[in-house]
Amino acid sequence: GDSVTQMEGPVTLSEEAFLTINCTYTATGYPSLFWYVQYPGEGLQLLLKATKADDKGSNKGFEATYRKETTSFHLEKGSVQVSDSAVYFCALSGTSYGKLTFGQGTILTVHP
Amino acid sequence: GAVVSQHPSRVICKSGTSVKIECRSLDFQATTMFWYRQFPKKSLMLMATSNEGSKATYEQGVEKDKFLINHASLTLSTLTVTSAHPEDSSFYICSARDMGQGAFITGELFFGEGSRLTVL
Repeated sequence: GDSVTQMEGPVTLSEEAFLTINCTYTATGYPSLFWYVQYPGEGLQLLLKATKADDKGSNKGFEATYRKETTSFHLEKGSVQVSDSAVYFCALSGTSYGKLTFGQGTILTVHP
Repeated sequence: GAVVSQHPSRVICKSGTSVKIECRSLDFQATTMFWYRQFPKKSLMLMATSNEGSKATYEQGVEKDKFLINHASLTLSTLTVTSAHPEDSSFYICSARDMGQGAFITGELFFGEGSRLTVL
């Protein structure tokens, strides 16, 4: 079945540091890939998405490129802010129609 | 983007009582909604798929009689936790797909704000 593996957290960074959160997936066919963000006490918000190989999703300074050859969708940001502190989930929409498969989530804490 | 709203955002109840959580798509119609449960510092666990006008499809290991799901209209799905116990305390999140936004193809889901249930 489909699965998503994220790097273990938590991740703690200083403001303006470079961020990478690794995400790899297993799926048949050509899944769509997503990054969702969850701020404390809130639901999930779509951060960015990519629907086919080599697509780059970007939003709010975050980027992720759909790499089919390495089955990866790593999240990056060049300069994080305190307000980026949240839980980040990598997810895919694949063989099971309508269902998202989530990674385990990565807690990011950014200090001033 | 499409907006999904949940109510209540927080609820505290006594053990043995039932609690209803509503999930509404505010600006689009959703024939299918999904209910997730999130444990502290854990990922989201899909509980069930709610289909408008038909029975919900539950994931393996989810008690159908404990978690009643009703999808009465194209904009409303409800989750009722029956005879709640402390172990049912959790963060419940619903999601839906806006069929008119091309999300049908990409698989993107829009999520509600979540409902935190605490059973005393």
